[in-house]
Amino acid sequence: EAQVTQNPRYLITVTGKKLTVTCSQNMNHEYMSWYRQDPGLGLRQIYYSMNVEVTDKGDVPEGYKVSRKEKRNFPLILESPSPNQTSLYFCASSLRAKNIQYFGAGTRLSVL
Amino acid sequence: QKEVEQNSGPLSVPEGAIASLNCTYSDRGSQSFFWYRQYSGKSPELIMFIYSNGDKEDGRFTAQLNKASQYVSLLIRDSQPSDSATYLCAVNPSTTSGTYKYIFGTGTRLKVLA
Repeated sequence: EAQVTQNPRYLITVTGKKLTVTCSQNMNHEYMSWYRQDPGLGLRQIYYSMNVEVTDKGDVPEGYKVSRKEKRNFPLILESPSPNQTSLYFCASSLRAKNIQYFGAGTRLSVL
Repeated sequence: QKEVEQNSGPLSVPEGAIASLNCTYSDRGSQSFFWYRQYSGKSPELIMFIYSNGDKEDGRFTAQLNKASQYVSLLIRDSQPSDSATYLCAVNPSTTSGTYKYIFGTGTRLKVLA
């Protein structure tokens, strides 16, 4: 089954404790992306990747890191989480940059 | 000015009516336009995409794109209570900007009344 898998689905952590949210797709997609969704602000793109080893900033990259060492995986790293990073996070992938994006189920993160 | 604007709603329509959702965008060179549906607590799922001016129909859904006026709309015919959700407009900006970001509107909440 074609899918985008995010883990964990729910995470509660404390300020400053490094964490990684994983994202994996099995569709051989080139383009992968991370979004955060906050009430009233909609979906905002954090980082995206055009292909392996090619990443670029979205609209809200501060406080986040990403890597794309393999085509299927695109982890989101929060080196020192802060309460303002409490949000619902989505990973998405598409065949290429202008194509339809398929979304993972989401990760709800709370930073205390 | 926001790059992609949508009326937040809620837009309430009776069952069986046509729901009309609108979206305007600021980047005149934008090339790809998408409508996603998102149920509360769920991930967005694609409803329609459109690349060229004009109308594109898929079942009860019609996407309309007018690049000169910089708007894209979604019509839902014969609206059903199961269509009640938030509809997100997404725009893939022009490659002349040098980026391949996606810009989403904040979404329009649709309520179909039985």
